[in-house]
Amino acid sequence: QKEVEQDPGPLSVPEGAIVSLNCTYSNSAFQYFMWYRQYSRKGPELLMYTYSSGNKEDGRFTAQVDKSSKYISLFIRDSQPSDSATYLCATSLSGYNKLIFGAGTRLAVHP
Amino acid sequence: DAGVTQSPTHLIKTRGQQVTLRCSPKSGHDTVSWYQQALGQGPQFIFQYYEEEERQRGNFPDRFSGHQFPNYSSELNVNALLLGDSALYLCASSLTGDNEQFFGPGTRLTVL
Repeated sequence: QKEVEQDPGPLSVPEGAIVSLNCTYSNSAFQYFMWYRQYSRKGPELLMYTYSSGNKEDGRFTAQVDKSSKYISLFIRDSQPSDSATYLCATSLSGYNKLIFGAGTRLAVHP
Repeated sequence: DAGVTQSPTHLIKTRGQQVTLRCSPKSGHDTVSWYQQALGQGPQFIFQYYEEEERQRGNFPDRFSGHQFPNYSSELNVNALLLGDSALYLCASSLTGDNEQFFGPGTRLTVL
C-alpha cells in the first residue's frame, strides 16, 4: 500500500465548476499537508500548506485536512481554464522531513 | 528575488555514463532536497542536504550521490546511468525547521 493515494484522473470540468481533489494517507503520524500545482513539463508550485486538521482558504482555493479519517482535500471554486494542470498532494512527518507525494490528479477545465 | 534555479534544463546521456545536475536555492534558504519524478508519477525523495551534510536519504542506490556547497547550492550526481533513471529531477529548497519546500523547474534527464 502506498503511503499517499491519489486518483490520477483525468478530471474534466466546465469553466466555473467547483472542483474537488482528494488524497488519503496511511500514516497517522503525518502532520504537515501540502498541495502543489504542476503545469506540463514544469516544476511543482506550492499552492496550500497546512498543519494538522482543519481548513485553510486562499482566494478560490480551500484545503481541508481530516486526520481522523486520514483524508485531505483541495477545493477550487469558479474554476478557470488556467487551472488546468496536475495537482499533487504531499505530506510529511515533521518540520524538516522529506515530502511524500501522491501520484497527482490531472485536471482539465474547458471553456 | 530569484526562486530555485536548476541547470541544465535538458540532458541526454547513454547507459553507463555519469551525470551532474545543479541547483541554487531560493534566497535565504539553507536546505536543499532532491526528488526524482518519473512520467505520470509524483516526485520521489532522493536525499536532503543541510550544512553541507546529507541529513536524510530516500530509497535510492549509492549510484545517487550529492553535495552541498558553503553558499547552499547543491549538486546531484548519478553514476552508471540506467534506462530507468530517465526522469525529471527536481530540486526543492527550504529554511531548516520549515516544511514549506519550493521547487525549481527541474532537469529532464533522458538515458538512451
